[in-house]
Amino acid sequence: GQNIDQPTEMTATEGAIVQINCTYQTSGFNGLFWYQQHAGEAPTFLSYNVLDGLEEKGRFSSFLSRSKGYSYLLLKELQMKDSASYLCAVMDSNYQLIWGAGTKLIIKP
Amino acid sequence: IAGITQAPTSQILAAGRRMTLRCTQDMRHNAMYWYRQDLGLGLRLIHYSNTAGTTGKGEVPDGYSVSRANTDDFPLTLASAVPSQTSVYFCASSYSTSEPYEQYFGPGTRLTVT
Repeated sequence: GQNIDQPTEMTATEGAIVQINCTYQTSGFNGLFWYQQHAGEAPTFLSYNVLDGLEEKGRFSSFLSRSKGYSYLLLKELQMKDSASYLCAVMDSNYQLIWGAGTKLIIKP
Repeated sequence: IAGITQAPTSQILAAGRRMTLRCTQDMRHNAMYWYRQDLGLGLRLIHYSNTAGTTGKGEVPDGYSVSRANTDDFPLTLASAVPSQTSVYFCASSYSTSEPYEQYFGPGTRLTVT
């Protein structure tokens, strides 16, 4: 079956660094997406990885290891506005997104 | 309009009633999607459309129907609502379903079936 696993909740301190992990088992792979979703709002696109390695975009970076079925989202210099849920999604062989349940990130001052 | 709009924002509906959730995009995207989001679960695909005039079933299609008469609109209909359809519904669109394009989401409709 298809499965995406990520931690339910994480807590971090303002100004610190946090890594949110995602492991997956899917039928086919056409890339992995990370989305951010603030409470009561729509998901918004953060990053896309299809090749192994690290993609950096400002304070946010995303890493992929296809052989391990593993990705992480790294958030640096955390700000209070980063408090949100972070959704990992894999695009399968039919170009449909399979979504994880999301990781709720709580930032404390 | 900029992006995707959904209506209504929220709705309380009696079980057994018929309801249509509206979704409109102005990005000229070919592909559109309907998801439901429930606490503790990931977004689940209800129905999708690769292009105007075509639709397909997602992971949880039972009790829902869609149509795609033109590029911009993709309404979702609940023929006879049941309490298990209480959820937040998101409409999304992307340029195509034949390449890994990102999906853009509407603001969502919060539906409560009593």
